[in-house]
Amino acid sequence: QSALTQPASVSGSPGQSITISCTGATSDVGGYKYVTWYQQHPGKAPKLMIYDVSNRPSGVPDRFSGSKSGNTASLTISGLQAEDEAHYYCSSYTSSTALYVFGTGTKVTVL
Amino acid sequence: QVQLVQSGAEVKKPGASVKVSCKASGYTFRNYGISWVRQAPGQGLEWMGWINAYNGNTNYPQKLRGRVTMTTDTSTSTAYMEVRSLRSDDTALYYCARDREDCSGGNCYSAYYYGMDVWGQGTTVTVSS
Repeated sequence: QSALTQPASVSGSPGQSITISCTGATSDVGGYKYVTWYQQHPGKAPKLMIYDVSNRPSGVPDRFSGSKSGNTASLTISGLQAEDEAHYYCSSYTSSTALYVFGTGTKVTVL
Repeated sequence: QVQLVQSGAEVKKPGASVKVSCKASGYTFRNYGISWVRQAPGQGLEWMGWINAYNGNTNYPQKLRGRVTMTTDTSTSTAYMEVRSLRSDDTALYYCARDREDCSGGNCYSAYYYGMDVWGQGTTVTVSS
């Protein structure tokens, strides 16, 4: 089972919006609602940002939103802020023997 | 507050085993599952498996089956993960994480695919001869 495919890097200026894609297959992203996004700052543990494709846990700013179309999920950060600079990972349930798979990760840079 | 505290760093030789602990506090341990995730130096995240703290049921990815065992001790609210036959590519930062509880269906259930909402601080495991 290969990791889900994400762009290696995405950048934007403060206040702009950016979107990170996460491409899988019908056996994972496309077939289930269990797509999750995590934020990881350097030297820190990941933080849950989005679950079930588009739901935000309490405490996560509404600048973060998730969506899915076919086999590709997306995380959008609106009104980009300096503290959003981090790595972002998508993940999904998969019907393969891997059971659960992470994306390759995307480094977000705030210019 | 809700937290997971992991055991300290380990250095092991190839072929050895390592057992990492993860002590939970601030919530009812048996109501949630625990996942383990590792991150090799400079690399992405890899899910290693899940244990239901209520009944001890486990799920492991095929890649790691037979080499990884997850257990819990509900009397001390502690989860454990053992990796056997260590290789150099097992060198990584190992995290335990609480699996989010979903109550949308009326009953509440915690599973790895619901997302991991509380993370431990990580345990470095180095495999070197």
